[in-house]
Amino acid sequence: GESVGLHLPTLSVQEGDNSIINCAYSNSASDYFIWYKQESGKGPQFIIDIRSNMDKRQGQRVTVLLNKTVKHLSLQIAATQPGDSAVYFCAVSGPHAGNNRKLIWGLGTSLAVNP
Amino acid sequence: GAGVSQSPSNKVTEKGKDVELRCDPISGHTALYWYRQRLGQGLEFLIYFQGNSAPDKSGLPSDRFSAERTGESVSTLTIQRTQQEDSAVYLCASSSRPEWHSYNEQFFGPGTRLTVL
Repeated sequence: GESVGLHLPTLSVQEGDNSIINCAYSNSASDYFIWYKQESGKGPQFIIDIRSNMDKRQGQRVTVLLNKTVKHLSLQIAATQPGDSAVYFCAVSGPHAGNNRKLIWGLGTSLAVNP
Repeated sequence: GAGVSQSPSNKVTEKGKDVELRCDPISGHTALYWYRQRLGQGLEFLIYFQGNSAPDKSGLPSDRFSAERTGESVSTLTIQRTQQEDSAVYLCASSSRPEWHSYNEQFFGPGTRLTVL
C-alpha cells in the first residue's frame, strides 16, 4: 500500500547550522508534495510545496528538493533558528483508491535547535 | 483573514461520556478534514467532507465515531461512550480544493485536546 516515511524521528542541530529533513514515499504516481511545520500546541502550518514537474523549489530560508527517481523528498532549512524548533511533516498527494486523490502524511520529524 | 477555528480548545471528560468537537472552516472552503494526533505521533486521517457529504470515512476507528457537516460550513465530530484510548488532539483542516484536485493544500485549526479520564 501507499506509505510515507521519514528517515529520522528526531533531529538536533546547532543554531545557525543548516537542517535537512528527509521523507520517502512509495507511490511513483504521487505528483504533489507539501511540507508542514507543527509547533507545540498548534496545528500544522504550511511551509512550502512542490509539484512533480520540478525538482527544487526555494522559499525564505527553506528549500525543498524532490528526487522522483528514488522517491525521496527533503526539506532544507538554512541558518536554523530556535523558532524553527517544531515537528515537520511531509504530505504527498497522488492517485488513491478509485482514482481519488488523497494526501498521505508522514510520521513527522522533531527538530530541536540548540542555542 | 480568519483561519480555521476549533472548539473547545481543551476537553476533559469521563470514560463513557459522549463528546462533541466543533470545527469552523475557512469561509468558502468546500473540503474539510478531521485528523487525530496522539501524543508524539503523526496525523491519523479520520474523515473527509466535500460540501456536506463525506465521500471518505475510512479513517473513523469505530462506530463510536461520527461526524457531520451542515451548510457546507461547520462540522462536528462526535465520539460516543469515550474510552481512554480516545485521548488525543483532534485537528480539523479545510481546503478550497476538493481532495481529488491535483493540489490541495490544507489549512489547519489549532486542534481540540481531548482527555478521557
